[in-house]
Amino acid sequence: GAVVSQHPSWVICKSGTSVKIECRSLDFQATTMFWYRQFPKQSLMLMATSNEGSKATYEQGVEKDKFLINHASLTLSTLTVTSAHPEDSSFYICSAITGRSPLHFGNGTRLTVT
Amino acid sequence: DAKTTQPPSMDCAEGRAANLPCNHSTISGNEYVYWYRQIHSQGPQYIIHGLKNNETNEMASLIITEDRKSSTLILPHATLRDTAVYYCIVRATTTGTASKLTFGTGTRLQVTL
Repeated sequence: GAVVSQHPSWVICKSGTSVKIECRSLDFQATTMFWYRQFPKQSLMLMATSNEGSKATYEQGVEKDKFLINHASLTLSTLTVTSAHPEDSSFYICSAITGRSPLHFGNGTRLTVT
Repeated sequence: DAKTTQPPSMDCAEGRAANLPCNHSTISGNEYVYWYRQIHSQGPQYIIHGLKNNETNEMASLIITEDRKSSTLILPHATLRDTAVYYCIVRATTTGTASKLTFGTGTRLQVTL
């Protein structure tokens, strides 16, 4: 159980375009979802926390207007990277939790901006 | 959440037990110890967690010292597929925003033939 699905697994886009990444909890309702970013050879860095039906909480230094997060249902959260630039190229990972269970992670989305 | 300290890397021969240490000397009474691992280019995988008693599941065992200031993750018979970065994280088990995990640099375990 506790499967988190992330789509797409990889995407290449041109500079200036926007990219949407989906995160779904397949067999449970996720009250809270988290979005992380990971650059090569570095650890995961939390970008934002989203609770279903409310605005996301962003970590310091993360631009909320650039990284739009929508958590419209208990099973789906989306991260949209707007006006992407090469420096936004990274591995984006979502995670989801329900109640007091451990966090479960998606398999990540590798974004390459050319 | 309390900070953890892990060795940056470890090697283990296939078939042997891998013992991964973690120091968390500032852990609070309501904080659990969680272990995750990340295989290259994948999302982190939950392994095990515990509060103060030793825990075992199909993947690993977790040994927590009596003073709870350190713990050891044990993979009883390491295989090449266990090669990954292992993260030890302490946090209070709670709900909502406070349930976020803060990742350190972890231990890169290399299992060799």
